[in-house]
Amino acid sequence: GAVVSQHPSWVICKSGTSVKIECRSLDFQATTMFWYRQFPKQSLMLMATSNEGSKATYEQGVEKDKFLINHASLTLSTLTVTSAHPEDSSFYICSASSGPSNQPQHFGDGTRLSIL
Amino acid sequence: GIQVEQSPPDLILQEGANSTLRCNFSDSVNNLQWFHQNPWGQLINLFYIPSGTKQNGRLSATTVATERYSLLYISSSQTTDSGVYFCAGVNYGGATNKLIFGTGTLLAVQP
Repeated sequence: GAVVSQHPSWVICKSGTSVKIECRSLDFQATTMFWYRQFPKQSLMLMATSNEGSKATYEQGVEKDKFLINHASLTLSTLTVTSAHPEDSSFYICSASSGPSNQPQHFGDGTRLSIL
Repeated sequence: GIQVEQSPPDLILQEGANSTLRCNFSDSVNNLQWFHQNPWGQLINLFYIPSGTKQNGRLSATTVATERYSLLYISSSQTTDSGVYFCAGVNYGGATNKLIFGTGTLLAVQP
């Protein structure tokens, strides 16, 4: 149980385009979803936290207009990287939690984004 | 904010060897998870262990919450154990279970 599906797993696109990444909880309702970013040989850094039906909470230094997050249902959250540039190239991972803050987070397989 | 340090940062083992990875927190954490990130980037959930000891096959973990550390034991290591091991704890600074990740331990198991 507790499966999180993330799609796509790999994206290569031109500078200036927008890229949407989907994160779905397949067998549980995800009250809260999280988006992380990981640069090579570094740890995961939380970008934002989203609760179903409300606006996402962004971490300090993360541009909310650049990284649009939508959490419209209890099983789906999306991250859209708008007007992507080469410096946005990274590994993006989502996670989902079923609710109370003492519940573990379950992670998707990540999306490797390369902007040319 | 809370700091999570892991040691050692890098580790090379011969297949069959045992190892202990450590995770130290600068402040109290209410929950703790251990993950294995494989070479393809996938994060595998190993343990959810706020306190006490758990075992799963060749792996076991112990968290001593009062002393702000957790240990991950790998016994009879295999080449498939290679990858990066992260611990992460929840800091209840806000209303959500915000995970703070450690610096990671890069493990290479050689045949």
